[in-house]
Amino acid sequence: SQTIHQWPATLVQPVGSPLSLECTVEGTSNPNLYWYRQAAGRGLQLLFYSVGIGQISSEVPQNLSASRPQDRQFILSSKKLLLSDSGFYLCAWSRIPGAVEQFFGPGTRLTVL
Amino acid sequence: AQKVTQAQTEISVVEKEDVTLDCVYETRDTTYYLFWYKQPPSGELVFLIRRNSFDEQNEISGRYSWNFQKSTSSFNFTITASQVVDSAVYFCALTTSRISNFGNEKLTFGTGTRLTIIP
Repeated sequence: SQTIHQWPATLVQPVGSPLSLECTVEGTSNPNLYWYRQAAGRGLQLLFYSVGIGQISSEVPQNLSASRPQDRQFILSSKKLLLSDSGFYLCAWSRIPGAVEQFFGPGTRLTVL
Repeated sequence: AQKVTQAQTEISVVEKEDVTLDCVYETRDTTYYLFWYKQPPSGELVFLIRRNSFDEQNEISGRYSWNFQKSTSSFNFTITASQVVDSAVYFCALTTSRISNFGNEKLTFGTGTRLTIIP
């Protein structure tokens, strides 16, 4: 069966510090990978998605970036965090071809102070 | 553009009562997919169901049932005999991307309904 991991689970960072969140998927190959952000009390906003190694599409202009160095690894980064980057970050994967449902990881709760 | 509306921000019911969560969607595509996800307090989104636009049959899974009506662009979710473990935020979502090798299925989420089951 497939599993998706995210770490860290929680993170408190000062404004202006760098960020690196990691997501890995097990039990499948060549998945689609996604990064979402959920602000407090709000829905989910798609940030990035990837259909393969080194292939990243950005949905929202911001100071965040994403990379996919390996088939089942997806990294969300920032060089300098802003207060507005606080939120709950969720990684998700979907199977290709033939499926549209996405399966989510446990999430990382980021607080920028 | 596509949109998902969950007008009910919060709902509270007493345990064992039935509860229906509403979802209304907007899309110009004739082929689309609807989803429900559950987000318990732990935060992880749990996939509950996918419904294709060309299949209007209602679905039942244990205490859960889904009513898909294209005529009203609604995809409502009913929990029968609610339990405390059903307490969570529930999200309805939509994608109009066809199943393909391109893998860019972008889910549009509603803002969620927080369901509280009172023991």
